[in-house]
Amino acid sequence: DAGITQSPRHKVTETGTPVTLRCHQTENHRYMYWYRQDPGHGLRLIHYSYGVKDTDKGEVSDGYSVSRSKTEDFLLTLESATSSQTSVYFCAIGVAVQETQYFGPGTRLLVL
Amino acid sequence: GNSVTQMEGPVTLSEEAFLTINCTYTATGYPSLFWYVQYPGEGLQLLLKATKADDKGSNKGFEATYRKETTSFHLEKGSVQVSDSAVYFCALPVSSGSARQLTFGSGTQLTVLP
Repeated sequence: DAGITQSPRHKVTETGTPVTLRCHQTENHRYMYWYRQDPGHGLRLIHYSYGVKDTDKGEVSDGYSVSRSKTEDFLLTLESATSSQTSVYFCAIGVAVQETQYFGPGTRLLVL
Repeated sequence: GNSVTQMEGPVTLSEEAFLTINCTYTATGYPSLFWYVQYPGEGLQLLLKATKADDKGSNKGFEATYRKETTSFHLEKGSVQVSDSAVYFCALPVSSGSARQLTFGSGTQLTVLP
């Protein structure tokens, strides 16, 4: 158990509304990641962070923003949700020395 | 950059059958290699890893050997159980930018029938 929680676990929202997903870790790891998982596309990196206030884009960052004001929290925001952002979102932490990532339980987001 | 190609599924086996899920990689140098497993409705869990060539990772009866000659990291289990039904992902670091990222295979769905 890597001490990662995600909230909410399920969310239904309407097109055009902003949505924020939260990832919280208890182990003070430097690296954190947001992925989305969709059928036929596998796991794709949205954004990642390598420290407080240090973030960068991943493969599919359009329409998403992130913030990391504390080591333990990494927020993913959909500025104006679209139906194409319906997905399962996973947060992960990176343990650099072990070169390993550990994943949270996921958030299922449905955009109507 | 580094990439991984994973055997497409789905794979359906009877209980106690032998399992192989193929994974080949393209990489600069000899990065660590990983297998992750995702049970229905859950996040990915690290199943096993190997950090250098010729290493064998093992966990829960699963094994994978890091073979640089064939650039492969195939997942094997001698006798699968119904509880092994899940999606399996091969992965390796991309190692670009300021953080170590992973690139994942497309996943292989395994169903084990009693």
